[in-house]
Amino acid sequence: KAGVTQTPRYLIKTRGQQVTLSCSPISGHRSVSWYQQTPGQGLQFLFEYFSETQRNKGNFPGRFSGRQFSNSRSEMNVSTLELGDSALYLCASSLADGFSPLIYGYTFGSGTRLTVV
Amino acid sequence: AQSVTQLDSHVSVSEGTPVLLRCNYSSSYSPSLFWYVQHPNKGLQLLLKYTSAATLVKGINGFEAEFKKSETSFHLTKPSAHMSDAAEYFCVVPGGGGGNKLTFGTGTQLKVEL
Repeated sequence: KAGVTQTPRYLIKTRGQQVTLSCSPISGHRSVSWYQQTPGQGLQFLFEYFSETQRNKGNFPGRFSGRQFSNSRSEMNVSTLELGDSALYLCASSLADGFSPLIYGYTFGSGTRLTVV
Repeated sequence: AQSVTQLDSHVSVSEGTPVLLRCNYSSSYSPSLFWYVQHPNKGLQLLLKYTSAATLVKGINGFEAEFKKSETSFHLTKPSAHMSDAAEYFCVVPGGGGGNKLTFGTGTQLKVEL
């Protein structure tokens, strides 16, 4: 059974550029969440999608956006990159239906490490 | 709002000795709680979860955690550390703002020495 797949694994971008990260959840999982991990702020929730709808959003500026496709694959986009956006971006998927994924848990991908120079 | 506090940012143990990683939670009710582990340059792996069934929860790789409501704690333990246990460990509570968002503790870096 394939896990959560995130591409690319590593990315280097220049300030001001934009970037798109991809996440393919485990087959059958319809909930996809995104997290940002930095040494200073730790792991912070970005947003969560379920059946192509954003259900929950963290406290990030509008430069951070995402979407989910009908096959549950998700992308997140960061526009006008800043140095502080350098981080490991993690995607998690869940089998959960509705707002209670606690029983099912979350499976994380290995992440995309974004470096902004 | 629900939150977790990991009391130690770094823990160092010798191989073969017990491991104790401490986590306190803050919640107005009995929460669900998770422990995740992250090895270098890897994603997060679920070690165990508490969902208000048994208070002693057994996880993978010999780890276990005990939910203590009176102490608002959910400490992670392992009887005998192995070199492969060296990693960062996160105590996690779902919620903390709505929906199925996860709120992570600040992490505890576990070092295992020979």
